Amino acid sequence: SAVISQKPSRDICQRGTSLTIQCQVDSQVTMMFWYRQQPGQSLTLIATANQGSEATYESGFVIDKFPISRPNLTFSTLTVSNMSPEDSSIYLCSVEKRGEIGEQYFGPGTRLTVT
Amino acid sequence: KNQVEQSPQSLIILEGKNCTLQCNYTVSPFSNLRWYKQDTGRGPVSLTIMTFSENTKSNGRYTATLDADTKQSSLHITASQLSDSASYICVVSAGFSGGYNKLIFGAGTRLAVHP
Repeated sequence: SAVISQKPSRDICQRGTSLTIQCQVDSQVTMMFWYRQQPGQSLTLIATANQGSEATYESGFVIDKFPISRPNLTFSTLTVSNMSPEDSSIYLCSVEKRGEIGEQYFGPGTRLTVT
Repeated sequence: KNQVEQSPQSLIILEGKNCTLQCNYTVSPFSNLRWYKQDTGRGPVSLTIMTFSENTKSNGRYTATLDADTKQSSLHITASQLSDSASYICVVSAGFSGGYNKLIFGAGTRLAVHP
């Protein structure tokens, strides 16, 4: 299994500011994932972060808005830039165990409210 | 378009009763199907993972079924407990590529177990 922690657990931010969310894993993993979960909605993948290379973003998400860092095999950050109320969501990081049916483990999430 | 639909959207049952949650999917290619439990304020936790050839899989009081022909899955909860109150998310893998699964998430069924 993998134990994942996120900081902060929640935050209230003003429009136009940026927030950096940290994700720490208790073991080394190649791939880390960042998701957004809007109120009452399912999880949507923002990007995949591979250590040592640029993150790969899903359709509808861009690096300028959601820059990601992956400095080592146990840590990643997601920044939500120039925030608007539409960015109010829960942001989760996750890792996946190796293999085609590799189990995916999620962090507890960061609840972001933009006013 | 790959989609995962869950029903009902929400459900209230009395403690000790059984319930069944439904998941229909149109995902291609299909690799595996997962059920997750998400407690309020927490990240999703895996309950079961089933491949194409598996019809039934149990995890304690949780039993998942998969009919790959009709593209349907169900999650049956036996003898419900108050701690079962959570969102249950059906997730289908649309293939394993680049070292990880491409996951399609349903919107979840919100279950409330009342004493």
